[in-house]
Amino acid sequence: GIQVEQSPPDLILQEGANSTLRCNFSDSVNNLQWFHQNPWGQLINLFYIPSGTKQNGRLSATTVATERYSLLYISSSQTTDSGVYFCAESDSWGKFQFGAGTQVVVTP
Amino acid sequence: GAGVSQTPSNKVTEKGKYVELRCDPISGHTALYWYRQSLGQGPEFLIYFQGTGAADDSGLPNDRFFAVRPEGSVSTLKIQRTERGDSAVYLCASSPQGGWPYEQYFGPGTRLTVT
Repeated sequence: GIQVEQSPPDLILQEGANSTLRCNFSDSVNNLQWFHQNPWGQLINLFYIPSGTKQNGRLSATTVATERYSLLYISSSQTTDSGVYFCAESDSWGKFQFGAGTQVVVTP
Repeated sequence: GAGVSQTPSNKVTEKGKYVELRCDPISGHTALYWYRQSLGQGPEFLIYFQGTGAADDSGLPNDRFFAVRPEGSVSTLKIQRTERGDSAVYLCASSPQGGWPYEQYFGPGTRLTVT
């Protein structure tokens, strides 16, 4: 199956800072998604982004499918952005292959 | 409306015991997925149900793991002869139907600790 690699593994940000998280994949993707897992373990969908760019508030994502990577941008970070960010590719049944995640800590 | 719920939220059991983990999907969702998340890792797929049948159980690690969904709603993940390596958070997700463009909604997970 497809391999998903995320970087960096850990990120510490001061409130208000911007950051970029990266996801590389071993094969072409069709259903790439970004998730946020909050400190209580709840996984929330952020973006469905198989290609192109999307924005939602302070978060945006870009996928360059031909080069097999996706980026998640966090602008003006807030403490509520803390948690683990995952990218994942799903097959036609909706079965996800997740990366190992980027642990983000935003300090006041 | 209610989201996906999982019970118990925490389960501590002794090595060799049998455990059952329950998932209540969102009402009307026909697709249900189980994942296992070890510490510091992303969730790993275990099994996918479409209705009452297991459409894909390729992620179950061995025959100690079994899951059912007899009426197409609630699902139970069953683990026999638990081992310390089974300790993880078990996540359940449901979707109106399997596959894109149907969004999956994840439950809060059951943290299983095998001592």
